[in-house]
Amino acid sequence: EAGVTQSPTHLIKTRGQQATLRCSPISGHTSVYWYQQALGLGLQFLLWYDEGEERNRGNFPPRFSGRQFPNYSSELNVNALELEDSALYLCASSLDPWVPYFGPGTRLLVL
Amino acid sequence: LAKTTQPISMDSYEGQEVNITCSHNNIATNDYITWYQQFPSQGPRFIIQGYKTKVTNEVASLFIPADRKSSTLSLPRVSLSDTAVYYCLVGSSGGSYIPTFGRGTSLIVHP
Repeated sequence: EAGVTQSPTHLIKTRGQQATLRCSPISGHTSVYWYQQALGLGLQFLLWYDEGEERNRGNFPPRFSGRQFPNYSSELNVNALELEDSALYLCASSLDPWVPYFGPGTRLLVL
Repeated sequence: LAKTTQPISMDSYEGQEVNITCSHNNIATNDYITWYQQFPSQGPRFIIQGYKTKVTNEVASLFIPADRKSSTLSLPRVSLSDTAVYYCLVGSSGGSYIPTFGRGTSLIVHP
């Protein structure tokens, strides 16, 4: 069974640009979670999508947004990039919220 | 939402058994306990999950006392490749529950 996949693996942007990160959940999983992990820090919850709807979002500004498509894949958009947005962005999928399975992440570097 | 407390770091040597304890004093009746392992720049990997008593799989054991206010992840005969950050996650399905990770325990295995 294929796991959660994320693309791209690495992304380099400059301040003010927009970044789009993509996630494909495990087949059959309807929930997708996005987390941000800055270097050396823990996982900070960003967004939760389930059945195409945004169910909850963490304490992040509105320039962090996303969506979930009918096939349950998801996209995270970060507008007006700032230097501190440089981090590993992790996507997880689950059938039950308390067992999320994570993808390998997208490393975003903002210059 | 049950808050978890883990030691920030632990050191061990190859071949030893390592026990990492997580405190979750306000765990709810429906909450499960899940442990993850994370290597640098990778997504967390599911290790084991339990509700009460003891659970064992091919890589670890999870001990949960009767009051469920703590849990202990046991890694038998660790090797250098077990050097990673280990996270304890407590929660249950339903509602608006968001899997929220604590700071984790950084385990360093020495030769």
